[in-house]
Amino acid sequence: SQWGEENLQALSIQEGEDVTMNCSYKTYTTVVQWYRQKSGKGPAQLILIRSNEREKRSGRLRATLDTSSQSSSLSITGTLATDTAVYFCAAMLSGSFNKLTFGAGTRLAVCP
Amino acid sequence: EAAVTQSPRSKVAVTGGKVTLSCHQTNNHDYMYWYRQDTGHGLRLIHYSYVADSTEKGDIPDGYKASRPSQENFSLILELASLSQTAVYFCASRQGNTEVFFGKGTRLTVV
Repeated sequence: SQWGEENLQALSIQEGEDVTMNCSYKTYTTVVQWYRQKSGKGPAQLILIRSNEREKRSGRLRATLDTSSQSSSLSITGTLATDTAVYFCAAMLSGSFNKLTFGAGTRLAVCP
Repeated sequence: EAAVTQSPRSKVAVTGGKVTLSCHQTNNHDYMYWYRQDTGHGLRLIHYSYVADSTEKGDIPDGYKASRPSQENFSLILELASLSQTAVYFCASRQGNTEVFFGKGTRLTVV
């Protein structure tokens, strides 16, 4: 596996709180993407961060990438109940015809 | 808006039967992917392709074949369906290091 954690993590927080989700990967990657998947739907990309970027923001979302530790994080500020979903990080592995693999994910429940 | 269309959206198959899942994209993307997702788990890569008439094995290719007859179409074939292949299957497409677009998924139940 290319991923550090193998099992789906679960978090439950109250609306309005901030949350940070982490993932670590074992193989060099040029791009890390964060996805959100709501119940019964396909994943939708939230943020794409490249290996030459340390941080990327989009609205209430902030993604970081640390290539030295091969880890990435996604933070959501001021969570809403509608942020309830499973969040995945995905890595595009160089030298493998751009093979795209997903981490196990974090199931986030935001309670109103 | 990029579009990835999967068919069928849902299928019940008999153990030992042949199943073909189809995926069509209108994005003119080079890369296409097939993933499976089991309840409560992440997406695992089965096969992918970066050009027509060529496919690559992903992380869990056993029991699956893939076919990319054109840039727009990518099929996943289960020659002998088994109970363990009951899952939701997602197709996706991508161009370069850009956003990946997913289809709505196919729920396959093998009985």
